[in-house]
Amino acid sequence: KNQVEQSPQSLIILEGKNCTLQCNYTVSPFSNLRWYKQDTGRGPVSLTIMTFSENTKSNGRYTATLDADTKQSSLHITASQLSDSASYICVVSGMDSNYQLIWGAGTKLIIKP
Amino acid sequence: GAGVSQSPSNKVTEKGKDVELRCDPISGHTALYWYRQSLGQGLEFLIYFQGNSAPDKSGLPSDRFSAERTGGSVSTLTIQRTQQEDSAVYLCASSPETSGPNYEQYFGPGTRLTVT
Repeated sequence: KNQVEQSPQSLIILEGKNCTLQCNYTVSPFSNLRWYKQDTGRGPVSLTIMTFSENTKSNGRYTATLDADTKQSSLHITASQLSDSASYICVVSGMDSNYQLIWGAGTKLIIKP
Repeated sequence: GAGVSQSPSNKVTEKGKDVELRCDPISGHTALYWYRQSLGQGLEFLIYFQGNSAPDKSGLPSDRFSAERTGGSVSTLTIQRTQQEDSAVYLCASSPETSGPNYEQYFGPGTRLTVT
């Protein structure tokens, strides 16, 4: 069964600190992996998209890594800001369907001043 | 240009009533998606429209759920005889295409549905 699992479920860190969120997936055959940020009461916004051949991609203070062999991804946030407080969702697309994405449940990140 | 808009932003309804949720996609986007997000759960795919092709309704949880897209633009998701388990945030997204692995889905703010 195609699944995406994220850890931790929630995380609280102090402003200015770094953190890393994890994602494991079982989707096969794999097409691409995305990280989304979802602010409370808003729709998800894409941070990065990585295909099979990419193992790292950055978007400002966000850096995503992908290990397609172990089917793991991480999202590293550097020098966290209060505005980083949100849910971060890992999403995987399989080759079988270009539009049906498999969504993780997300990691709820809270940045404290 | 404007992003994806959804209305209403919040809807409270009594069990057994019908509700209609509206989505206005980004102008020119040919693909439109509906998702359901329950508390603490990942997004659940409901239905997908692409141009004039027959929609993919494989994610609709029951025959109480239906959706249409008029003129290739605005879409309406209808839930008949609502049940308490239908309470969730309903998200709409659109994209300019779905070819290639890197297409983007742009999401609206969602409609929070509460069935009492």
